[in-house]
Order: sequence, then C-alpha cells, then structure tokens
Amino acid sequence: GAGVSQSPRYKVTKRGQDVALRCDPISGHVSLYWYRQALGQGPEFLTYFNYEAQQDKSGLPNDRFSAERPEGSISTLTIQRTEQRDSAMYRCASSLEYGTNYNEQFFGPGTRLTVL
Amino acid sequence: GEDVEQSLFLSVREGDSSVINCTYTDSSSTYLYWYKQEPGAGLQLLTYIFSNMDMKQDQRLTVLLNKKDKHLSLRIADTQTGDSAIYFCADRANQAGTALIFGKGTTLSVSS
Repeated sequence: GAGVSQSPRYKVTKRGQDVALRCDPISGHVSLYWYRQALGQGPEFLTYFNYEAQQDKSGLPNDRFSAERPEGSISTLTIQRTEQRDSAMYRCASSLEYGTNYNEQFFGPGTRLTVL
Repeated sequence: GEDVEQSLFLSVREGDSSVINCTYTDSSSTYLYWYKQEPGAGLQLLTYIFSNMDMKQDQRLTVLLNKKDKHLSLRIADTQTGDSAIYFCADRANQAGTALIFGKGTTLSVSS
C-alpha cells in the first residue's frame, strides 16, 4: 500500500505567519511521530501519538508548536507565529504498534519549511 | 540526555567495503538502528540490532555491536555507487517510549 505522505512538500512563509503541516500515516498504523531535521543534522524528536492520544510532547521546542491527531489517523503539526529559526525539514513517521518490539518507523518524504 | 555520535564523512571506491561507526551514551538501549537517507527521499530503515546481540548480518550489511563500549558499526560489503547516501545511526530512547535519538549522519560517497 501507500507509504507515509506529507503535505505540503515545500512551504515558504513570512515570519509571524502560522503554518499547518499534514501527515497521513500508513493505514492501520497505531503510532505517529513528528521529527524536525535541520540542515546537516539528524532528525530530532518532537512528539508522538498512539491512536489519537498524544503520548509524549517533550520534544516540542516551545508553546508555538502543537500537534493533534483527532481521529487517530491524519495528524497536523501547527507552528504559530513562525520565526526564521523554525526553518527545517519536518518529518513524520508511523509504526504499526508501540511497545518493546523493534518498532520500525516508516518515514514520509518530509515538508521543507522556509521562514523568511 | 542521550546522545549519538557519528563520523560525518566517508569516501570509498566502488567494490570496497565501507564501515560507518557510531557511539551512543544510553546504557538502557534496547534496539539500535541504521537508516539511509537519499536526496529528496524519506529515511529508510536499513537494519536494526537488538541489544543482546553482538552481530547481525543481512546480505551485504553487517552490524556489529559492542555494548560495553557503546559502539555500533555498519559494514557494507562490495559498496556500489547506489549506496551513496547519508546513513544515520539511531537509538531508541527507552523501553517505554519509542522516540528515536539520531546521530548527525555519515555522508557516504562512492566513486567508480
């Protein structure tokens, strides 16, 4: 079936605007993760959900960042009042289940956010 | 907090073996992973190893884990130009949580 999809693939916005990034996980996957990847760095964890419940949001950098997954499928990461330092690749991943198994996370292609 | 370190660049000739190294700090790691990132694509899981294993082989890939030294390596045999990519080592943060801690990535360049 289809992999993880993200939209938009590219987003250019002006400082101070709000942006919403969408992630559509693999059908049936319970867990969904958001990561941020700056240029030349590895992905950095932001938050994750099991079904519709946000289990861990310790990686969200500040209260301008929020995420939701209201029906346990599609998720939206929202950044309010964007700043230039928010510019990065935002990656979404999903996995079939959570717990102590090896938990393969399947990554989407990412959304490249540029804040001018 | 937990940290994962990798060398940043590796350059090899086609047909040679590549060895990418990684060190991690979390002594409670259960699974360690290698992901591959090609330009314009998402991260692809290459292989993983459970912490009670020393070695895992999967076709051209060999993963070695030294748990005492917290050192992980990925060996690619008969490296091809199509192996050119960024390789990320990742550690699962803890048993209950499932967040991955990634290194900065090693850029592998394969010349013909």
